[in-house]
Amino acid sequence: DAGITQSPRHKVTETGTPVTLRCHQTENHRYMYWYRQDPGHGLRLIHYSYGVKDTDKGEVSDGYSVSRSKTEDFLLTLESATSSQTSVYFCAISNTQGGGDVTEAFFGQGTRLTVV
Amino acid sequence: AQSVTQPDIHITVSEGASLELRCNYSYGATPYLFWYVQSPGQGLQLLLKYFSGDTLVQGIKGFEAEFKRSQSSFNLRKPSVHWSDAAEYFCVAAGNKLTFGGGTRVLVKP
Repeated sequence: DAGITQSPRHKVTETGTPVTLRCHQTENHRYMYWYRQDPGHGLRLIHYSYGVKDTDKGEVSDGYSVSRSKTEDFLLTLESATSSQTSVYFCAISNTQGGGDVTEAFFGQGTRLTVV
Repeated sequence: AQSVTQPDIHITVSEGASLELRCNYSYGATPYLFWYVQSPGQGLQLLLKYFSGDTLVQGIKGFEAEFKRSQSSFNLRKPSVHWSDAAEYFCVAAGNKLTFGGGTRVLVKP
């Protein structure tokens, strides 16, 4: 299995508080992603990173920020958590090959976040 | 814009019967294509991948997928399903980033 770890695995937090989720990889992969998974919506991309300090928004980025200060860590921050951000969050990593397209992604085990 | 469509949200199949899950992609060129499986409460596991070459690719757990350029499709198949195949399946295309289909949930009847 690819070396990818998410922490925490479960968290309950109150509305309005900031929350940071961490994704750590030991594979030295270039790309890192944060997805959220909700019933009926599949996996939706929040933010992704294509290198240290290089990040871009996904389709559901409002209310989230990310940082990548080193290759192995990708942090997702909910600046002020809301109940609509209750979800399961997955981190993924991938590399590139050939013409620069990304290769298969490896996923973490997920973080279940509940905002009350 | 890159997109992946899985037309079937739910499929119910009897144990031992064959299974086919549909996937269509829209992309400027042929992307890399993948199928992932997610068992309840678990993360996502890679079943198989297509980069180029042979259009029929074999994966783990007895799954295979066929790439058809003319139809922009990458359908997943298994000749005989097992109860443990009950899960959600995602088709994914990769260009400069990953694009997921909406998923197909497979239920297996005894």
